[in-house]
Amino acid sequence: DGGITQSPKYLFRKEGQNVTLSCEQNLNHDAMYWYRQDPGQGLRLIYYSQIVNDFQKGDIAEGYSVSREKKESFPLTVTSAQKNPTAFYLCASKQGALSGANVLTFGAGSRLTVL
Amino acid sequence: GQSLEQPSEVTAVEGAIVQINCTYQTSGFYGLSWYQQHDGGAPTFLSYNGLDGLEETGRFSSFLSRSDSYGYLLLQELQMKDSASYFCAVRDSSGGGYQKVTFGTGTKLQVIP
Repeated sequence: DGGITQSPKYLFRKEGQNVTLSCEQNLNHDAMYWYRQDPGQGLRLIYYSQIVNDFQKGDIAEGYSVSREKKESFPLTVTSAQKNPTAFYLCASKQGALSGANVLTFGAGSRLTVL
Repeated sequence: GQSLEQPSEVTAVEGAIVQINCTYQTSGFYGLSWYQQHDGGAPTFLSYNGLDGLEETGRFSSFLSRSDSYGYLLLQELQMKDSASYFCAVRDSSGGGYQKVTFGTGTKLQVIP
């Protein structure tokens, strides 16, 4: 079945450590996204990528980095520069058509806790 | 920058109809979508409006007025399982491309017996 796989589901990190969250999709979608969600809050855009080897900062990119070397993969690194990284991280993808429904497909999420 | 405003909480009775509003400010607007998220889960797509008017998908309908920068999600024949958070989202060109998707603050719907 086509979908998005995020790993790990739960992750614990010590302060000062970098951590990388994996996101893989087999939907052949062009665009991929990373969002952060804090308890009781909405989804805030960290980074997005419209095509391979291209990505743009979202609204809260500071302290995060991404790469898009393959169409299927869009890993997110939470660096030690991110002051409050404990959150629920969601990866999503969509077809890259200019028109048509804005349908994002989400992974199950990764819950990061900083100890 | 862009912003999307929704009511934070709504309570409705099982079997009733509820409307969740969304107002937005953005540039290069490419459509308004709605998503549902149950506690602890991932958002799932509900409905999309690219043009003005009403779109109906089963018990859910969504409306868009581009001139008013306003849309709403209408849920009919409410069921207990509809208790969830609902988010509006816009795609726009504010990020320099055409695939930036920004989400609203979310509306927590509680359905009561």
